Amino acid sequence: DQQVKQNSPSLSVQEGRISILNCDYTNSMFDYFLWYKKYPAEGPTFLISISSIKDKNEDGRFTVFLNKSAKHLSLHIVPSQPGDSAVYFCAATINQAGTALIFGKGTTLSVSS
Amino acid sequence: EAGVVQSPRYKIIEKKQPVAFWCNPISGHNTLYWYLQNLGQGPELLIRYENEEAVDDSQLPKDRFSAERLKGVDSTLKIQPAELGDSAVYLCASSLGAGDQETQYFGPGTRLLVL
Repeated sequence: DQQVKQNSPSLSVQEGRISILNCDYTNSMFDYFLWYKKYPAEGPTFLISISSIKDKNEDGRFTVFLNKSAKHLSLHIVPSQPGDSAVYFCAATINQAGTALIFGKGTTLSVSS
Repeated sequence: EAGVVQSPRYKIIEKKQPVAFWCNPISGHNTLYWYLQNLGQGPELLIRYENEEAVDDSQLPKDRFSAERLKGVDSTLKIQPAELGDSAVYLCASSLGAGDQETQYFGPGTRLLVL
């Protein structure tokens, strides 16, 4: 039973437009959420995170929104660039040092110029 | 600052052969993780170390998998004997281990193909 779900396997967006990647979770104990970006043949690279005490966190072109009541988070990329084309993983964990991350299956984002 | 280092990057072996992967975490990171990533899936934890102690190995198939982190720095993950289903990417990650809500940093992974 998947605790973190990314229901869209792929997303295609034009350069300059907004990319919205979605993630749902089932475990109400999760209180820290992260997005990782992965290029082929590389390991996941940390992108942005959000604590459950917040509903929004912004870093440059990347913004993560958290809706605890819906157990839903989303990653917004504005404006999208061709270099953003990668697989994006949503991950969640429980607020303890070193607890394992639970990952979704990933969404492949393709940004066309 | 150097990131998480893993070797080898790629490994092809025949089934029933042994194989070992090595990981050197970011300097000063006390917590080390080994994850397994199958094709089309997200990474899944195999084992977590706090310094040299394995504090979570509940997902490690102990009949064929073993791991060590003898001096609390680098770590080795071993499979003996390898099976066809072990073909996957093995990722190592590390974090400071100093508090809550820490970011885990991943290495490039070792891509294993078992023939």
